[in-house]
Amino acid sequence: QVQLVESGGGVVQPGRSLRLSCAASGFSFTTYGMHWVRQAPGKGLEWVAMFSFNGGTTYYVDSVKGRFTMSRDISKTTLYLQMNNLRAEDSAVYYCAKDTSRCNSGTCYGMDVWGQGTTVTVSS
Amino acid sequence: ETTLTQSPAFVSATPGDRVSISCTASQDIDDDVNWYRQKPGEAPVFLIQEATTLAPGIPPRFSGSGYGTDFALTISNIESEDAAYYFCLQHDNNPFTFGQGTKLEIK
Repeated sequence: QVQLVESGGGVVQPGRSLRLSCAASGFSFTTYGMHWVRQAPGKGLEWVAMFSFNGGTTYYVDSVKGRFTMSRDISKTTLYLQMNNLRAEDSAVYYCAKDTSRCNSGTCYGMDVWGQGTTVTVSS
Repeated sequence: ETTLTQSPAFVSATPGDRVSISCTASQDIDDDVNWYRQKPGEAPVFLIQEATTLAPGIPPRFSGSGYGTDFALTISNIESEDAAYYFCLQHDNNPFTFGQGTKLEIK
């Protein structure tokens, strides 16, 4: 079955970096777009970034542009989110999620399968 | 950026009731709306895609409607297991945005 397993979360000081991983299995990793979505404590969901099926298109929410970078290792079927210059407001549970489509040229149809999430806490 | 406004923020229902949750978009987004359910400490579950299409494995007690700016999720014959938060998502334009959520409590 389709499975996404996030890891890499933890407690980090403001200004430092962290890299999240999302191990994917049960589907063709290079056929679907992928997303990172976060949820701050007690808050709703916030979309963070999107990666098209071939990596040709990547979008980020304005608040993380220039600080976060999404990438993948096809051989490991793993998605990454490199987070630099972290701020307190980046504290959240981070979910990776598979899109129902390729997200070709950035046209996506929304997430169908989500991981269990990994928690990032930015605090001094 | 498209803002999605969900209402009500909280709804209480009795088993067997029917509940509707509204999601209003700040601009026309065709039928590019999905619905999700999330229980505390769990990942969201995909319920409805393209405003009206039931996701695989979701019982037909769940239904979606709407087009353009006004959308709704309706849950019929509510069961105790339906207690959760419900979110709408628009994927019409970047950045993708979610509604702020509706908490469904079962009496």
